[in-house]
Amino acid sequence: AQSVTQLGSHVSVSEGALVLLRCNYSSSVPPYLFWYVQYPNQGLQLLLKYTTGATLVKGINGFEAEFKKSETSFHLTKPSAHMSDAAEYFCAVCLDNQGGKLIFGQGTELSVKP
Amino acid sequence: ETGVTQTPRHLVMGMTNKKSLKCEQHLGHNAMYWYKQSAKKPLELMFVYNFKEQTENNSVPSRFSPECPNSSHLFLHLHTLQPEDSALYLCASSQDRRDNGYTFGSGTRLTVV
Repeated sequence: AQSVTQLGSHVSVSEGALVLLRCNYSSSVPPYLFWYVQYPNQGLQLLLKYTTGATLVKGINGFEAEFKKSETSFHLTKPSAHMSDAAEYFCAVCLDNQGGKLIFGQGTELSVKP
Repeated sequence: ETGVTQTPRHLVMGMTNKKSLKCEQHLGHNAMYWYKQSAKKPLELMFVYNFKEQTENNSVPSRFSPECPNSSHLFLHLHTLQPEDSALYLCASSQDRRDNGYTFGSGTRLTVV
């Protein structure tokens, strides 16, 4: 069965520090992977996605993620956190055999301290 | 207007009321979804519609009744809700392709009193 696991429901970093949000997946087919961000009382917004090709993908707001097949991981990083990065982040994997259905992780809440 | 639009943004209703949530997408997508997001809980997929046909119902109580009159509009009709139904209700749409992902609306914050 396909699934997504986000390690840590809450991550806290200082402003200017590295942001690392972890995501591991299990899939029986080559995965398509996504990261979404959700600000308070808003919907989810696509940050970046991996489909095929280059394994390091860049997204909006300075975020990037690297697909590592050997580790079945798709961790999200940003070199220097801003206060505005405080939000909930969701990793998702696409099920190949159901026409694009996404399976979401549990979410990781990112706090940024001044 | 482009994207996925949800109305109303906020709704307070009594347990005996009947109300409806509306979702509209202008992206030409063929699949639409309702999600429930409660505090401190993962996203819960409620319903999936593909080309106006319901393809998934994840054991949602009958007090939630979806309606999809066409590929651009999705409704969630609510009646005799419980306080535990208070949550953020999110609508999403997709093109039914693996590489597209979903486009989400801003949600309706529902409070049942």
